[in-house]
Amino acid sequence: EVQLVESGGGLVQPGESLRLSCAASGFTFSHYGMHWVRQAPGSGLEFVSAITNNGVTTYYAKSVKGRFTISRDNSKNTLYLQMDSLRVEDMAVYYCARRGSGGYDNWGQGTLVTVSS
Amino acid sequence: QSVLTQPPSASETPGQRVTISCSGSSSNIGSNPVSWYQQLPGTAPKPLIFNNNQRPSGVPDRFSGSKSGTSVSLAISGLQSEDEADYYCSVWDDSLNGPVFGGGTKVTVL
Repeated sequence: EVQLVESGGGLVQPGESLRLSCAASGFTFSHYGMHWVRQAPGSGLEFVSAITNNGVTTYYAKSVKGRFTISRDNSKNTLYLQMDSLRVEDMAVYYCARRGSGGYDNWGQGTLVTVSS
Repeated sequence: QSVLTQPPSASETPGQRVTISCSGSSSNIGSNPVSWYQQLPGTAPKPLIFNNNQRPSGVPDRFSGSKSGTSVSLAISGLQSEDEADYYCSVWDDSLNGPVFGGGTKVTVL
């Protein structure tokens, strides 16, 4: 069974940093591209960042480019999102999702990031 | 303002059919396959439709997808109370070089 378990969320002040992790199991992690998608309170889904299966290519939404860094460790079956210079508008539930051939075929349960002074 | 346009809400009585539209452009829906996701309250999104009209295993055939030009639609037939949820379309956008989502449609079963 495919499992994606996010961790690392919490309460931070504006300008601070946080690193999210997504532990994957039940599939060959190195075969899949992985994405981070977020959902602000009461809002819709928003793409944040993506990384190819081998970690060579990364993609970022304009709203986070230059502040967030996606990475992966295929030996540990883990996806990361380093979030620096956090803003109030970054407050959201962050989901990691596996990118299959047709779309996001598996999602984690999400981790909440709260940015507040 | 989402790149993909969905109606904010839709409603129908049990047993009826409801259709949700998702409108985009030539750089996204017009050139790439679309997926749909269902999000029940307080839960993570769940995939419903891949590649415009393919259901993942386990998704009832009451859910169907179609595409025409730069728009897609999700139809739910034989509407049930457990179908009350938010529904999102998503597709890769060649201009933005990343995936985009619709704003979501809240389906209410009357």
